[in-house]
Amino acid sequence: DAGVIQSPRHEVTEMGQEVTLRCKPISGHNSLFWYRQTMMRGLELLIYFNNNVPIDDSGMPEDRFSAKMPNASFSTLKIQPSEPRDSAVYFCASSLGQGLTQPQHFGDGTRLSIL
Amino acid sequence: QQPVQSPQAVILREGEDAVINCSSSKALYSVHWYRQKHGEAPVFLMILLKGGEQKGHEKISASFNEKKQQSSLYLTASQLSYSGTYFCGPNSNTGKLIFGQGTTLQVKP
Repeated sequence: DAGVIQSPRHEVTEMGQEVTLRCKPISGHNSLFWYRQTMMRGLELLIYFNNNVPIDDSGMPEDRFSAKMPNASFSTLKIQPSEPRDSAVYFCASSLGQGLTQPQHFGDGTRLSIL
Repeated sequence: QQPVQSPQAVILREGEDAVINCSSSKALYSVHWYRQKHGEAPVFLMILLKGGEQKGHEKISASFNEKKQQSSLYLTASQLSYSGTYFCGPNSNTGKLIFGQGTTLQVKP
């Protein structure tokens, strides 16, 4: 069975550029989560969707970050404009239900470097 | 608020046991545990639910003390494959997990 699919796996871009990260959740899962992982801050939840609707975006750092889920099989996380401090590994995860009593399945992540 | 995990790091020999603790300042509805190997994604280990139900696998067990707002992960007869960073993710019924800072486990031959 296909797991959570993220693209790209690696992204290196210059400060000020727009960055778009993509995620395809496991088919049938109705919750999707975007996390950011850094050495300093650990694994942080940025935003999560349930049935394609954003439920909690309190972890989104600032207005430069936005996320969408136009349908049940696709989500994007966009950073515009990007800054060096956005460099991190970004994970997408999906689960059945609301992800509280069911496992969250993580994608392989996107390693983002902003120069 | 981020839960507190202890210890931050532990080194074991194969076959030894380890306990990783997770404490939260909030009342808990459930606790998730994940393991992450270097350069890889976190992988689900176990969920502990209020009321004592557990969902997990392998030779790993855990406990969940609702009153103390704590959970512990028990790794018995550790294997080399157990090496990695372990994260707890308590849920206070807010709809999201807040992960701890992680406990790094290294198992040596």
